[in-house]
Amino acid sequence: NAGVMQNPRHLVRRRGQEARLRCSPMKGHSHVYWYRQLPEEGLKFMVYLQKENIIDESGMPKERFSAEFPKEGPSILRIQQVVRGDSAAYFCASSPPRQSMNTEAFFGQGTRLTVV
Amino acid sequence: QKEVEQDPGPLSVPEGAIVSLNCTYSNSAFQYFMWYRQYSRKGPELLMYTYSSGNKEDGRFTAQVDKSSKYISLFIRDSQPSDSATYLCAMSARSNTGKLIFGQGTTLQVKP
Repeated sequence: NAGVMQNPRHLVRRRGQEARLRCSPMKGHSHVYWYRQLPEEGLKFMVYLQKENIIDESGMPKERFSAEFPKEGPSILRIQQVVRGDSAAYFCASSPPRQSMNTEAFFGQGTRLTVV
Repeated sequence: QKEVEQDPGPLSVPEGAIVSLNCTYSNSAFQYFMWYRQYSRKGPELLMYTYSSGNKEDGRFTAQVDKSSKYISLFIRDSQPSDSATYLCAMSARSNTGKLIFGQGTTLQVKP
């Protein structure tokens, strides 16, 4: 029973390039959450998605960042025209449908983005 | 002012010590409180989940919530070197959600 899978684990991009981070939730989970962790800081909520819907994007920067969770395939966090300040660890979490008894969120191992 | 405050440490203790980790928060709407453990370069792992005020015990770990003081604690008894990690408190106003507000995390080192 695989956990939350994120790839790549490490990603290096030059300033101005695009970064695509992928997250496959746990089997049976239909809710996906993206978090960003800057050095020496806790995790900051970015966006909450269900299949084909963005439920809450209150933590997403207004520009350059977007997220999707298509009907088929993983959730994607996309960062356009990356800048050095985007360097961070990006974590994905998933949880089962709300009507499930167990609704804890489980985190993946993260993607560490370095912008050079 | 941050919604959740947590002393980043680092906290260094000898093996076998009792460790106390704490968070304070400002939002009285928070009802659900969690402690996550995060090893270096890994994802957070849920340790304890509590609802409202009270205590919850699981093995060597005890979580306490005092809503009147807006203060939560995690106690680790008989600490082991394998407990060396960063401990993050997290909380939410709603159940059934992965949208959490995290503290900064406290780095703990347990020395053999």
